[in-house]
Amino acid sequence: KNEVEQSPQNLTAQEGEFITINCSYSVGISALHWLQQHPGGGIVSLFMLSSGKKKHGRLIATINIQEKHSSLHITASHPRDSAVYICAVRGQGAQKLVFGQGTRLTINP
Amino acid sequence: DAGVIQSPRHEVTEMGQEVTLRCKPISGHDYLFWYRQTMMRGLELLIYFNNNVPIDDSGMPEDRFSAKMPNASFSTLKIQPSEPRDSAVYFCASSYGGAVHTGELFFGEGSRLTVL
Repeated sequence: KNEVEQSPQNLTAQEGEFITINCSYSVGISALHWLQQHPGGGIVSLFMLSSGKKKHGRLIATINIQEKHSSLHITASHPRDSAVYICAVRGQGAQKLVFGQGTRLTINP
Repeated sequence: DAGVIQSPRHEVTEMGQEVTLRCKPISGHDYLFWYRQTMMRGLELLIYFNNNVPIDDSGMPEDRFSAKMPNASFSTLKIQPSEPRDSAVYFCASSYGGAVHTGELFFGEGSRLTVL
């Protein structure tokens, strides 16, 4: 079993839909990152969080430390949101990130 | 700020050749990471440096891989000799660790390596 599990692996939705991507992890962490990677592109850090909730525009990330679970939400999804979203956790006292396998999101117009 | 700068963006080489990938981290960042991304294995950490010193190289696949960071503004990842299974996208990332070691990570655009 991987230390970081994401679901779903693939998600296709229509423009405007509310999107949720989930991440579960099995180790104690100091921080959790959500990353975005467009096809053939680089990787962008969307959020880094260790508790509670963060919001940037249409993106919201939440984390429940007790349940070892995080969610990434996209409101009013748009085709430009189509990308792979990667969850990564940083262990306590560590700098290494352990990555999930990624969720491929496709938003159709 | 220019962000993390990697070169080359694309490299095609023949098996057995030496490959050198380069990275310039964001000024002021004290952590530098080298990652490899493949379809089969996703993102994997190869090695990371703190204040130019290698801290953890347990992800380096074998002796054919080496990494250096001679100063705070430059790092190299070298593969010698290269093999087709080394074909991947290699990402460099940097962060500022600060006092709590929870620095946000900034990635370069990646170097896509193809070994024929």
